[in-house]
Amino acid sequence: EPEVTQTPSHQVTQMGQEVILRCVPISNHLYFYWYRQILGQKVEFLVSFYNNEISEKSEIFDDQFSVERPDGSNFTLKIRSTKLEDSAMYFCASSTRLVNEQFFGPGTRLTVL
Amino acid sequence: AQSVTQLGSHVSVSEGALVLLRCNYSSSVPPYLFWYVQYPNQGLQLLLKYTTGATLVKGINGFEAEFKKSETSFHLTKPSAHMSDAAEYFCAVSANYGGSQGNLIFGKGTKLSVKP
Repeated sequence: EPEVTQTPSHQVTQMGQEVILRCVPISNHLYFYWYRQILGQKVEFLVSFYNNEISEKSEIFDDQFSVERPDGSNFTLKIRSTKLEDSAMYFCASSTRLVNEQFFGPGTRLTVL
Repeated sequence: AQSVTQLGSHVSVSEGALVLLRCNYSSSVPPYLFWYVQYPNQGLQLLLKYTTGATLVKGINGFEAEFKKSETSFHLTKPSAHMSDAAEYFCAVSANYGGSQGNLIFGKGTKLSVKP
């Protein structure tokens, strides 16, 4: 069964460093999303992406964040200068069409020291 | 704005007992509603969803949920709990209108424990 994959599973970085989280969505999906979950808190929407551009972003998704689909398979989330409060589990998701079931990856746990 | 409230961050039931996980939502437009399950160290897996039509929806692993518009609820039930049901369950809402980009608004989650 096709699945969303994410790498790495765990990333540790120093405050101020750039990180890139990688996702491979399901191959025929058109809509891509990033969510994050700070430990003990809700899963929060960050950004949605369709047709090679951002469709919607939350207030969390500030200038330090960017997304890219550099080729036909990968979908990346970049944090330019990490802060302590960026420590969280980051989930990638994809779907075939708008407001349809979103398939989630296993997540990348980001720890900022 | 949309929001989701899950009553009870932790629910414990005995194996074979009824599972009831509560979810209430707030939405100014007709919602799409979802229940996801997360097993340890895994991603979120869809259990079931309500979009339109029949208000009682059946999902995987014997779970079902009923959309009650008058109560703004979408509670998740299973008649008989199994040890393998132990996981965290998330209720989510998505806007059902043309301007929506489909992003999900999640509740805080309910951790289900099943006692032998």
